[in-house]
Amino acid sequence: GAVVSQHPSWVICKSGTSVKIECRSLDFQATTMFWYRQFPKQSLMLMATSNEGSKATYEQGVEKDKFLINHASLTLSTLTVTSAHPEDSSFYICSARARTGVGEQFFGPGTRLTVL
Amino acid sequence: DAKTTQPTSMDCAEGRAANLPCNHSTISGNEYVYWYRQIHSQGPQYIIHGLKNNETNEMASLIITEDRKSSTLILPHATLRDTAVYYCIVRVGHNAGNMLTFGGGTRLMVKP
Repeated sequence: GAVVSQHPSWVICKSGTSVKIECRSLDFQATTMFWYRQFPKQSLMLMATSNEGSKATYEQGVEKDKFLINHASLTLSTLTVTSAHPEDSSFYICSARARTGVGEQFFGPGTRLTVL
Repeated sequence: DAKTTQPTSMDCAEGRAANLPCNHSTISGNEYVYWYRQIHSQGPQYIIHGLKNNETNEMASLIITEDRKSSTLILPHATLRDTAVYYCIVRVGHNAGNMLTFGGGTRLMVKP
């Protein structure tokens, strides 16, 4: 099956710093990538949808200036959490939708962010 | 997308079949039923999907009622590694181009 990777798998940072998370589709081209956030014991919540070469579409309540998304190529999307605060600590998961075939979504393994 | 209702949690003995129900009484004719699972601290994993016929693959079977208002995911011989949160999602096929909307899911605990 298609593989989606995320890097890093976990990160600890100080409050006020910025953190970049990468999402890559390893063996397929992804026209669309999705970013989710999951707090402990809660379900996944969609943050934004990004299409290659265009601006991301953010869900209501998600600050686009705080969570910067760049989908520069068909295999890479990045999420930058700017000026991170402890309340941004969460599990961030990306998924990628294939350009060809039936367009199913494949999920990455997630990145656990802890802001001190 | 139609809303789904799942039990919050279920237990299953190792080696026995795990039957996970899902209600989707407002499902539309062009909406599929998808099942994903999420093992602790990992990304969701696709299991199976169907429209109206029962489906089976190497992981599980999906039984959809004739009126399509509910479905059951069956893990025929549950193992400890099947302990996870199972999400039932209803949406308009792969090519809708839209995101998957996750509900609360069912936390399945497989016990030895």
